[in-house]
Amino acid sequence: GNSVTQMEGPVTLSEEAFLTINCTYTATGYPSLFWYVQYPGEGLQLLLKATKADDKGSNKGFEATYRKETTSFHLEKGSVQVSDSAVYFCALMDSNYQLIWGAGTKLIIKP
Amino acid sequence: DGGITQSPKYLFRKEGQNVTLSCEQNLNHDAMYWYRQDPGQGLRLIYYSQIVNDFQKGDIAEGYSVSREKKESFPLTVTSAQKNPTAFYLCASSMEGTSTDTQYFGPGTRLTVL
Repeated sequence: GNSVTQMEGPVTLSEEAFLTINCTYTATGYPSLFWYVQYPGEGLQLLLKATKADDKGSNKGFEATYRKETTSFHLEKGSVQVSDSAVYFCALMDSNYQLIWGAGTKLIIKP
Repeated sequence: DGGITQSPKYLFRKEGQNVTLSCEQNLNHDAMYWYRQDPGQGLRLIYYSQIVNDFQKGDIAEGYSVSREKKESFPLTVTSAQKNPTAFYLCASSMEGTSTDTQYFGPGTRLTVL
């Protein structure tokens, strides 16, 4: 069946460090891929998405590229800030138009 | 100001009681969803509705019920049959429920069974 696997957290970085959060997926066909972010005490917000292979989604300095050959959608940011501290979820949209979610990766940025 | 509202933010229930969580959206979206979030896990789909007066079970529908009498409203009832209802519940909506649609989320309701 379809599934999403994310790197386990928490991930702790210093401000201005480079961030990578790994996400790989298993799916039939070519699903749309998403990164959502959940700030403390809040609901989820879409961070970025990609709908076909080799697409790059980007927002707020974050980027992720849809890699069909490695079935991956890793999230990256060149220089993180304390305000980026949150839980990040990778998800795919299956053929029934339902989101399949990873377990989430907690990111902690220290000043 | 368009968005999704959920109420209440915190809800306490005694064992054996049914409770209804509210979800309203003014985005004119056709599709609405209910998810459950447990610590250290991703979201799991409870129910979804792609059009008024129609809804389908998600992966963990047992012990829950929904209705979709109006486009903007999708209330979730947690019944006494739900064995472990303490969780964070998130409502979402999307324009059409298609494969490239973005789902927009409400702020969530934290349900605690005493």
